[in-house]
Amino acid sequence: GAVVSQHPSRVICKSGTSVKIECRSLDFQATTMFWYRQFPKQSLMLMATSNEGSKATYEQGVEKDKFLINHASLTLSTLTVTSAHPEDSSFYICSARSPRQGKGALAKNIQYFGAGTRLSVL
Amino acid sequence: DQQVKQNSPSLSVQEGRISILNCDYTNSMFDYFLWYKKYPAEGPTFLISISSIKDKNEDGRFTVFLNKSAKHLSLHIVPSQPGDSAVYFCAASLIIQGAQKLVFGQGTRLTINP
Repeated sequence: GAVVSQHPSRVICKSGTSVKIECRSLDFQATTMFWYRQFPKQSLMLMATSNEGSKATYEQGVEKDKFLINHASLTLSTLTVTSAHPEDSSFYICSARSPRQGKGALAKNIQYFGAGTRLSVL
Repeated sequence: DQQVKQNSPSLSVQEGRISILNCDYTNSMFDYFLWYKKYPAEGPTFLISISSIKDKNEDGRFTVFLNKSAKHLSLHIVPSQPGDSAVYFCAASLIIQGAQKLVFGQGTRLTINP
């Protein structure tokens, strides 16, 4: 079963609206979660690192006021694309890093990914 | 600057034979390497990883080899099965200012032919 849940899987919105994407860690508590973006036929590009209880760390070139990240609990991080425009249309994927120690079948200190969200801005 | 490269965008292998997926990297500071498998409209699924201090890690049909001097790693799948058809991404882990970051290759689309 899924280790990380991401919703919605697809969203179509009008230009100028805001879209919120949720990422939930189902099998472990994740102090660190990550948000990626993937353009067609390209690799996953890290947008930001989401830290529980503190501000997200954004990669160079990623607008923090455009892509708001909230990591309010150990199992939930949200990405809000504010005032979305057609150029924001992309595939957004989140991941959660499994604990370095502990019991269970999951590999330790590995990023587990959600199913992704296809955002289309009209 | 593409630090992790998968030079083969696609690979076609007959069912039952060995699939070999390759990945090259440039940054000697990478300390961990991972392979992910991705189906269309889904997120990447973790397959196997290897620490930079090892040269081989095996898990069932999947084996990852690391050649640090050549900055090259490969994923071997044997025997290949139709369900292995997917896009495979290699990723390299780097610790920057205390935070782990993954750098992904462009992916290789593997097709297993019956």
